Parts: sequence; C-alpha cells; structure tokens
Amino acid sequence: DAGVIQSPRHEVTEMGQEVTLRCKPISGHNSLFWYRQTMMRGLELLIYFNNNVPIDDSGMPEDRFSAKMPNASFSTLKIQPSEPRDSAVYFCASSRNTGGATKNIQYFGAGTRLSVL
Amino acid sequence: GQSLEQPSEVTAVEGAIVQINCTYQTSGFYGLSWYQQHDGGAPTFLSYNALDGLEETGRFSSFLSRSDSYGYLLLQELQMKDSASYFCAPPRGTIFGAGTRLFVKA
Repeated sequence: DAGVIQSPRHEVTEMGQEVTLRCKPISGHNSLFWYRQTMMRGLELLIYFNNNVPIDDSGMPEDRFSAKMPNASFSTLKIQPSEPRDSAVYFCASSRNTGGATKNIQYFGAGTRLSVL
Repeated sequence: GQSLEQPSEVTAVEGAIVQINCTYQTSGFYGLSWYQQHDGGAPTFLSYNALDGLEETGRFSSFLSRSDSYGYLLLQELQMKDSASYFCAPPRGTIFGAGTRLFVKA
C-alpha cells in the first residue's frame, strides 16, 4: 500500500486566499484525522471522521476552516480566507478503528507545509 | 476531559538508556500508544499497551500502570538516530501529549 497520501506537500499563499489540502487514506481504513502542528501549540487534532462521518470537529479553530469526506478514499481540508497564523504543517492520518481496546494505529501522511504570507 | 503530560525535553548520551514518562487523564481508557517523530517527518507508531506491564519491541519498551494513570517509553542502547520527538496518546488517538524532545549526544 502507498500509505496516506497528502497533497500538496508545500503550499505558499497570500493572506485572504483559499487553500485546499487533500488526503487519500489507506484503503480499508475507516477513520481519518486532520491535525495541525506548530512549534507553539504542538500536534492538535482539528477533526476526525469515522466511516466518512465527522465525529468530532471541536478542534476546528473557526468558521474559516471546513473539512469534507465525500467518500472513503478522499478528504479535503479547506481554509477560506487564509491568514498568516494558519501557517503550520497539516497532517492527515488514517486508521482501522475496530472499537474496544485495540491498537487503532494511526498512519500519518507526510504532511502539507502551509505558509500564508 | 482528556489530557496527557510529558516532559518537554530529555537529553542522554549514545549507548545509554532513557525513560520518557507520560501521565494521563482520559475517559474511557483503552490503553496507551507511543509515536516517534523526526524533525521534518510525520509521526510513526512505536508501541502500544492495553494492559499493565511491559511491552518490548527491540530496543524500545513501553510500560503501563492503569492504577497510576502512568506509562513510560524506555529506549535502550541509544543511537544518534533516536533523536526525535516522542508522543504518548490514547489508541483512539484523538489527542496527543505535547511530546518529549529527545536529544542524543555522542
């Protein structure tokens, strides 16, 4: 398997522009997570989906952020309009959630490094 | 609510043993996982404890005490390449500790 695939790897944009980050989870995984990582705040969960349904979006910072998962093999994270404080590395991860006390190992994509000027 | 606490930094020398602690408060506890992240890289899974005791995977071991809400990651025979950040997390993984940055010196 190719692992979790994120695109683009790097994105540089200007304040006010729309940014769309894309993620293809590992085939057969039923949970998908979007994280943001900065030096100041560490690794923060933004939203996670289970079977394509958003379960917890309490980490989404504000209405400028939205995420979709139209099917089991694709998800997007959109920021509109973008601001300099959104500059961070955004990770997508997927896992096979079987419930109960199981590993539920999360496999992370390589991340998208976003710079908003 | 859920929270995890780890030391922010640990420094050790090559060949030594280092222990990275994690204390947690979680609802519906299902065990504790550990992840490693090198600078510029993505977190990767290292180890998981569902029950009390020690799990060994090569040079890395992880320990859990559910009664103490405490776990640790033990790294033996440290190598320079072990310099990275280490995160503890519940297996549902919706939160991660702030991470412990390990510096291995020659």
